[in-house]
Amino acid sequence: NAGVTQTPKFQVLKTGQSMTLQCAQDMNHEYMSWYRQDPGMGLRLIHYSVGAGITDQGEVPNGYNVSRSTTEDFPLRLLSAAPSQTSVYFCASSYRQGGGNTIYFGEGSWLTVV
Amino acid sequence: EDQVTQSPEALRLQEGESSSLNCSYTVSGLRGLFWYRQDPGKGPEFLFTLYSAGEEKEKERLKATLTKKESFLHITAPKPEDSATYLCAVRPTTSGTYKYIFGTGTRLKVLA
Repeated sequence: NAGVTQTPKFQVLKTGQSMTLQCAQDMNHEYMSWYRQDPGMGLRLIHYSVGAGITDQGEVPNGYNVSRSTTEDFPLRLLSAAPSQTSVYFCASSYRQGGGNTIYFGEGSWLTVV
Repeated sequence: EDQVTQSPEALRLQEGESSSLNCSYTVSGLRGLFWYRQDPGKGPEFLFTLYSAGEEKEKERLKATLTKKESFLHITAPKPEDSATYLCAVRPTTSGTYKYIFGTGTRLKVLA
């Protein structure tokens, strides 16, 4: 069982470049989300989705875009990368009802913007 | 304001030396409290979910407890492989919001 799969694992971008972090889950979870993790700060929610075709902003959405065309996939797009977006990004998923609302995380994507 | 504070930030234990990690929270209402383990270079791995004061859950050397204001993760006779960062998160009862608040974690190092 693969769970939550993220690609790429590592990426270096130049300021102003755009890219997409891919996320897929095979648990038929309704909820999917993207977090960033920075030193000394807790995981912060960027965007989330409660189902296919539905997305909403989290705590730190600026500079990022998402879409949810299928239940399984939830890509995160960096529109014009900035050094402040250097971080570790985690995709997560959970059931909407039941399952204790527990969220399950991917292995992370390390992004450096130079 | 909803808030989660974990202490200590870092903890070094000798193998076999039991201790506890603390997670204090301030929320308008609690839908669930979650403990995760995170190894370097990895994503957080789910450990426990607690829902109401007085609830306890155990897994191997770990035991999580919950009161109305805090949760403890007790580690009994730890081994070097228990070394990791332990994260606490809460989900408030704010209706219609997909919201989890994470603490900054406790970095645990268990020495052989």
